[in-house]
Amino acid sequence: GENVEQHPSTLSVQEGDSAVIKCTYSDSASNYFPWYKQELGKRPQLIIDIRSNVGEKKDQRIAVTLNKTAKHFSLHITETQPEDSAVYFCAGSTGGYNKLIFGAGTRLAVHP
Amino acid sequence: GAVVSQHPSWVICKSGTSVKIECRSLDFQATTMFWYRQFPKQSLMLMATSNEGSKATYEQGVEKDKFLINHASLTLSTLTVTSAHPEDSSFYICSAVAGGRSTREQYFGPGTRLTVT
Repeated sequence: GENVEQHPSTLSVQEGDSAVIKCTYSDSASNYFPWYKQELGKRPQLIIDIRSNVGEKKDQRIAVTLNKTAKHFSLHITETQPEDSAVYFCAGSTGGYNKLIFGAGTRLAVHP
Repeated sequence: GAVVSQHPSWVICKSGTSVKIECRSLDFQATTMFWYRQFPKQSLMLMATSNEGSKATYEQGVEKDKFLINHASLTLSTLTVTSAHPEDSSFYICSAVAGGRSTREQYFGPGTRLTVT
């Protein structure tokens, strides 16, 4: 089955810097890769997603890149703000039921 | 749109009792719902996939007789933790996929915090 690895586990940046989180997946059939932001005790919130027929997608300060050959994808956050502080999860999905397998998560801290 | 609710938001029960958690899609029909468990400072672990009108598909290592899932309608799925023990204490989150849409986004419920004493 699918296995998703995520790095780093923690990331600390200064406000205004960029943050990059990387994930690798094992199942070459995976074709949907969402990123979620989760604040303590709350539900995960989708921040951006990408399908396997696209190499890059951007939404304001957030971008995701996908390298199908290498089976890895990355989240890029530019001009970070303290409210970006949270745990970020990547996930991979394959199959008709849209089952998601999550990475271990990255705790991002943005310091003013 | 695409709101998912869960009830209760938190529950405390005694060891050996059973607890039912409801997951509802409020403004869309969910052909598929998922149940996750999240321990403190850990990731979401998929427990099972639930399709309306059929038996749930459980992930490896998840006891189907302990975690009973019923997807009775296109807007409701329930998870019953039977004979709960302290090690079952966790944050249980459901998600739903809207039928008939091209998006593959899963809409998550707010979660249920279960504490077994």
